[in-house]
Amino acid sequence: GAVVSQHPSWVICKSGTSVKIECRSLDFQATTMFWYRQFPKQSLMLMATSNEGSKATYEQGVEKDKFLINHASLTLSTLTVTSAHPEDSSFYICSAPTTLAGYMNNEQFFGPGTRLTVL
Amino acid sequence: RKEVEQDPGPFNVPEGATVAFNCTYSNSASQSFFWYRQDCRKEPKLLMSVYSSGNEDGRFTAQLNRASQYISLLIRDSKLSDSATYLCVVNPGGSARQLTFGSGTQLTVLP
Repeated sequence: GAVVSQHPSWVICKSGTSVKIECRSLDFQATTMFWYRQFPKQSLMLMATSNEGSKATYEQGVEKDKFLINHASLTLSTLTVTSAHPEDSSFYICSAPTTLAGYMNNEQFFGPGTRLTVL
Repeated sequence: RKEVEQDPGPFNVPEGATVAFNCTYSNSASQSFFWYRQDCRKEPKLLMSVYSSGNEDGRFTAQLNRASQYISLLIRDSKLSDSATYLCVVNPGGSARQLTFGSGTQLTVLP
């Protein structure tokens, strides 16, 4: 089936540093990928839609200058959390709608997530 | 009002029990509906899509009522391995194919 990978799976960093998270579709091309954030005991909240070859679309309340998204190829999107602070500590998950045959058009596959802890 | 609302839970049920989860959504133009399962500290995984006519997959039955904007999931003969958080997920439509998640209902199946 369709596979989406994320790297790193977890990261601990000091306040003020920047962290880059990669999301890759391994066996299909993804012109669109989504980035979500999940705080403990809460649901996934969509942060932004990553579009290959164009600017990302951010949800209301998400700072585009703080969460930089680059979708440089059809299989890779990156999320950079700039000047991270403790309140940015969360579980970041990406997803991609698959284009593989045999799957529903709206079926999305999720990466395993990246757990970010900012000290 | 939240776009997707679910039973808050948690549900603690004995093995073999039947348990039902409910979900309502606010956007009447929503096009696709799903139940996802999320294990602790893991990513969500698709459990099943929900069709207008209702659909069944083994011990799992999903129902959709578009008039009431209501979705349900029934789990029969609960297994210990069913313990997880169940997420009601809606695709609101449009070209972006975004998903809107409910806050999830936690299920613990007890031996």
